[in-house]
Amino acid sequence: AQSVAQPEDQVNVAEGNPLTVKCTYSVSGNPYLFWYVQYPNRGLQFLLKYITGDNLVKGSYGFEAEFNKSQTSFHLKKPSALVSDSALYFCAVSKRDTGRRALTFGSGTRLQVQP
Amino acid sequence: GAVVSQHPSRVICKSGTSVKIECRSLDFQATTMFWYRQFPKKSLMLMATSNEGSKATYEQGVEKDKFLINHASLTLSTLTVTSAHPEDSSFYICSAADRDLQETQYFGPGTRLLVL
Repeated sequence: AQSVAQPEDQVNVAEGNPLTVKCTYSVSGNPYLFWYVQYPNRGLQFLLKYITGDNLVKGSYGFEAEFNKSQTSFHLKKPSALVSDSALYFCAVSKRDTGRRALTFGSGTRLQVQP
Repeated sequence: GAVVSQHPSRVICKSGTSVKIECRSLDFQATTMFWYRQFPKKSLMLMATSNEGSKATYEQGVEKDKFLINHASLTLSTLTVTSAHPEDSSFYICSAADRDLQETQYFGPGTRLLVL
């Protein structure tokens, strides 16, 4: 079985400061890792993914994430936070399995960026 | 690109009625669509995986006779909540996977269902 842990329910950061949203995963075999963002009463927007290749992945809106196999982590980062980054962030993992590509989501981390 | 729409965005119905939710991939073909349910301030729970032209695969604990899924084409999947009850009230979100196996799922905006 695969699982994702987002240990922080909420992260608070001041605008202009760097931000990190943590994610660790558990899956047998090679993981496919994703970050999505959700604004209130909206669906999820894709931010970035790791499939293979470079461990540092760059995505939308200046976000990036680093795949660390030894620590089974995929933390989301941004060098300088914006107030508009305030939202709910989900980490997800999938594993190729006979045609299914179901995602397992973490519990979500609410990012609050203060002006 | 990679836009997924859902209709309706919000629906209120009486207990005992059935509600159909549509999920469409607007600019790509999706061999697989997924249906999720999200409770307030909670994560997404996968309900079922819908493959075009075949029966949906339901997750454990999800009643297939209550949540009917049809994936008749490469751009449309529907979820019908039959004989809805207040406990079915939730936020339902679909996603579609790109046909060229890029592994990324693109999500619809969600449908908020309220059963009175």
